[in-house]
Amino acid sequence: EVQLVQSGAEVKKPGESLKISCKDSGYSFTTYWIGWVRQMPGKGLEWMGIIYPGDSDTRYSPSFQGQVTISADKSISTAYLQWSSLKASDTAMYYCARVLPLGVQRWFDPWGQGTLVIVSS
Amino acid sequence: QSGLTQPASVSGSPGQSITISCTGTSSDVGGYNYVSWYQQHPGKAPKLMIYDVTNRPSGVSNRFSGSKSGNTASLTISGLQAEDEADYYCNSYTSSSTLYVFGTGTKVTVL
Repeated sequence: EVQLVQSGAEVKKPGESLKISCKDSGYSFTTYWIGWVRQMPGKGLEWMGIIYPGDSDTRYSPSFQGQVTISADKSISTAYLQWSSLKASDTAMYYCARVLPLGVQRWFDPWGQGTLVIVSS
Repeated sequence: QSGLTQPASVSGSPGQSITISCTGTSSDVGGYNYVSWYQQHPGKAPKLMIYDVTNRPSGVSNRFSGSKSGNTASLTISGLQAEDEADYYCNSYTSSSTLYVFGTGTKVTVL
């Protein structure tokens, strides 16, 4: 059974940098896209971007382009989401998920357990 | 691009059927049979319930079914149970640079 395990909760100050992770326990990390989804407190789901770990091809939602960086290290089957300078408005739960199927990727399954990021002075 | 439109809340009694709508445009819901639905219980990660409009992943109850007409997709829960109380989100592939768009979310309450 494929599992995505995310790094733990983070509390940061505005202006700090952060990199959170999503480790894929499956055997096919380099052949499936991984996506990141934001959920602000009490709000809905927002797609941020996806990466193909096989060649690091990355696509961003226009809403998040330039605001975050998505990367992957296929040697350890791990995808990352990072910020260079956090803002209070980045406070949210962040989920990773596989984006399936191969071909036209169009649904998210399975999901990681989520990483809570709190940005506060 | 704004989110797909869902009703904020839907409620029903145990055993009843309810339907959640998800309205988009011809660039997303209406243009592709690529609508998926997710269930999210409080404090938990979303779970895939339906993909490609009508398909159920292995392990998902057959009380959940999906359909689509024009620019509106729907999720029907039949034989409503207390465990179905959760938030539900639709998602569609889109021809825009956004690639994917989520619905605004619907809170299902079992009375």
